[in-house]
Amino acid sequence: ETGVTQSPTHLIKTRGQQVTLRCSSQSGHNTVSWYQQALGQGPQFIFQYYREEENGRGNFPPRFSGLQFPNYSSELNVNALELDDSALYLCASSFAGGSYNEQFFGPGTRLTVL
Amino acid sequence: KNEVEQSPQNLTAQEGEFITINCSYSVGISALHWLQQHPGGGIVSLFMLSSGKKKHGRLIATINIQEKHSSLHITASHPRDSAVYICAGSNTGNQFYFGTGTSLTVIP
Repeated sequence: ETGVTQSPTHLIKTRGQQVTLRCSSQSGHNTVSWYQQALGQGPQFIFQYYREEENGRGNFPPRFSGLQFPNYSSELNVNALELDDSALYLCASSFAGGSYNEQFFGPGTRLTVL
Repeated sequence: KNEVEQSPQNLTAQEGEFITINCSYSVGISALHWLQQHPGGGIVSLFMLSSGKKKHGRLIATINIQEKHSSLHITASHPRDSAVYICAGSNTGNQFYFGTGTSLTVIP
């Protein structure tokens, strides 16, 4: 059983550019959640995908968008990057439909916007 | 005000000390989670609680539903326990609300 993986591990972009981050869910999981963690802060919920549909969204602007694919892997896209978008981006997968709601986290992608 | 509040923000302890980290939440949750994050960024789930108390090795987590409060205890702390400990609540939609974390340093 493979765990949650994310790519790339590190990324440097400049203001105004666009970025795509990728996440592969743990085997058997059908839900992916994305979080933004600024330095010294706890993770903030961006959105969640369940069976390829957005299933909840945090307080993030529309330039943060996502996709979930039939194999339950996921992408986070951020357009028109701003300096404040510099953060660790975490994805977590889980199985919705069971009696518990434990999430398994990937190692994160550290994005730096210059 | 954050839905999940933790204290203290930073904690330094001598090896062997008993450590307590506290968490209070103001939202309705179906489960309370304690997570550990090491400097590389990866997050590991330590406990998931909906009531009572759980123990795993030197770690103990308790929750008081009426008071909306949870504690994480570490007995006989060790330098390898140094990490950020994060409290999070999850709702029935499996959406998580995180505290800002407690940075623990255990000195040999």
